Amino acid sequence: ETGVTQSPTHLIKTRGQQVTLRCSSQSGHNTVSWYQQALGQGPQFIFQYYREEENGRGNFPPRFSGLQFPNYSSELNVNALELDDSALYLCASSPGGTGFGQTQYFGPGTRLLVL
Amino acid sequence: GQNIDQPTEMTATEGAIVQINCTYQTSGFNGLFWYQQHAGEAPTFLSYNVLDGLEEKGRFSSFLSRSKGYSYLLLKELQMKDSASYLCAVRDSNYQLIWGAGTKLIIKP
Repeated sequence: ETGVTQSPTHLIKTRGQQVTLRCSSQSGHNTVSWYQQALGQGPQFIFQYYREEENGRGNFPPRFSGLQFPNYSSELNVNALELDDSALYLCASSPGGTGFGQTQYFGPGTRLLVL
Repeated sequence: GQNIDQPTEMTATEGAIVQINCTYQTSGFNGLFWYQQHAGEAPTFLSYNVLDGLEEKGRFSSFLSRSKGYSYLLLKELQMKDSASYLCAVRDSNYQLIWGAGTKLIIKP
């Protein structure tokens, strides 16, 4: 148990819909990163939030957006869902910002299926 | 581009030793991580290397050579519960983690 929680655990949506995934970081951690993991692949970095500001983004379109709240919990929003968005979405928290070589601890993930 | 290479799948016998290799080409280097991921679960942290050499932690050890862009994870006294995927990830110059596709390790009795 890492202390990182995510909700929901599973979700089914249809193409064109919008989805919001939630993550609560481990106590004392102010940095949250979001990843997309397709079956049989490694995680792909979506973006990272540090103290409520986005401070890094991977190669994902603008329809992937996020928020971090004052308690350092975070949301990932995906608009105009596409079939290829079906994946495991992982949230990871760490205690420092970009200048720290800190380990990331993962939540259990949200498995999203787009039909 | 940035690239992390790992073997797709390896098979080993319970009680034996296995070495999982990882080679990387990234824009900058700020540390290398190994994670274990059981099917349907989230990755869990195993080890972190930022300087050359071997880091030992119980049955697991990880080695890094920055000049060669190479790392390996060594698992000793293999147990059936070690059957999982092992992910190599490098933190690049932007402090973002670049991940390999993972090595699926199958342990046979």
